[in-house]
Amino acid sequence: SQQGEEDPQALSIQEGENATMNCSYKTSINNLQWYRQNSGRGLVHLILIRSNEREKHSGRLRVTLDTSKKSSSLLITASRAADTASYFCATDSGNAGGTSYGKLTFGQGTILTVHP
Amino acid sequence: DAGVIQSPRHEVTEMGQEVTLRCKPISGHNSLFWYRQTMMRGLELLIYFNNNVPIDDSGMPEDRFSAKMPNASFSTLKIQPSEPRDSAVYFCASSFLWTGGAGNNQPQHFGDGTRLSIL
Repeated sequence: SQQGEEDPQALSIQEGENATMNCSYKTSINNLQWYRQNSGRGLVHLILIRSNEREKHSGRLRVTLDTSKKSSSLLITASRAADTASYFCATDSGNAGGTSYGKLTFGQGTILTVHP
Repeated sequence: DAGVIQSPRHEVTEMGQEVTLRCKPISGHNSLFWYRQTMMRGLELLIYFNNNVPIDDSGMPEDRFSAKMPNASFSTLKIQPSEPRDSAVYFCASSFLWTGGAGNNQPQHFGDGTRLSIL
């Protein structure tokens, strides 16, 4: 299986509910990032959490990272119809020799649908 | 500020033709990444550059694919000859790499992609 696998593959909720998406990975990481992709558009960076951090907040977003379990979760609180999109986690595993060029490995994504 | 700019947004061409995709990264960024996105394979990293130098092209699927970055503000991805299985959305992304250290910790900024259809 791939580095950075999201779960569930699809999530359908009502406006106002919380949405939780999970990501698992296999190798050690420098950081883990979450991106959003609206239909027909490019990916937009949401939040980055470093390997020595356990939790991070940004507005209605909360990200947790458990390096012992090699997993992360993204929580969107009080969801809105405008949050409908695909969400991807991406891992930066650095590079042998110590130089990290910021190369990311993306998961397959979670499709979130928020119904008004 | 202008984001990453890709052109064309859509390209439809017949198999065997040469296809050139273009990317203008964000000014000041020194790393550039080319990705391909399909339903079957998801988002795949094809090649990336740092300071205009290709660092890793192991994701380029075949010799029919080539990429260049002649200067800090322009990159191309070329497919010659094109085949129907090359149909996908191709994204370019840029970021800033802090030199001399591990753990870059910088996000990537994506363009809106080129939707390529090879008939």
